[in-house]
Amino acid sequence: GQQLNQSPQSMFIQEGEDVSMNCTSSSIFNTWLWYKQDPGEGPVLLIALYKAGELTSNGRLTAQFGITRKDSFLNISASIPSDVGIYFCAGPPMNYGGSQGNLIFGKGTKLSVKP
Amino acid sequence: EAGVTQFPSHSVIEKGQTVTLRCDPISGHDNLYWYRRVMGKEIKFLLHFVKESKQDESGMPNNRFLAERTGGTYSTLKVQPAELEDSGVYFCASSHLTWFQETQYFGPGTRLLVL
Repeated sequence: GQQLNQSPQSMFIQEGEDVSMNCTSSSIFNTWLWYKQDPGEGPVLLIALYKAGELTSNGRLTAQFGITRKDSFLNISASIPSDVGIYFCAGPPMNYGGSQGNLIFGKGTKLSVKP
Repeated sequence: EAGVTQFPSHSVIEKGQTVTLRCDPISGHDNLYWYRRVMGKEIKFLLHFVKESKQDESGMPNNRFLAERTGGTYSTLKVQPAELEDSGVYFCASSHLTWFQETQYFGPGTRLLVL
């Protein structure tokens, strides 16, 4: 089945630094989603991307839908301590068409921010 | 508006016992999903309800898992008998039934440990 490969697996950065993480697949996705999970909570949607090449921002977060539809990246600028958590990329399998249906997730990137 | 709620937040049981997890979706959301994350792995889809009907149960690991959504409101996921490999975090998510781009809202999860 379709899989999403996320990297890096974990990151330790200093407050104020920029962060970049990405997600790749050997197959095409029509939608790319980025979620963040805070400790003890469930994943929360940060950014949704629906078109190849799309670049979308949400505050200090910026995400892009790769032109090949097989990758996506998420950037966080000027990190702060509350950015700590696990970031997941996700997308619906191809057979679901435009609807999200069930989601395929990457293994996550664990971000730690040192004040 | 209340978010997705899950009960219990934690459960520790012995191998062979039965555990029932409950999910209350956001009011008015027809779609309800169950996911599971085994430690260090990706979040994996288990099944999808549309109202009270099972739309997709392709992710259910085996027949020890039984999900119900009587009346199309809350859902339960029963594991009987529990095995060691069932340990993990079980997430429930819900979304409004739209034909395109519905966002899934996740609950905080139930952390299950089978000893």
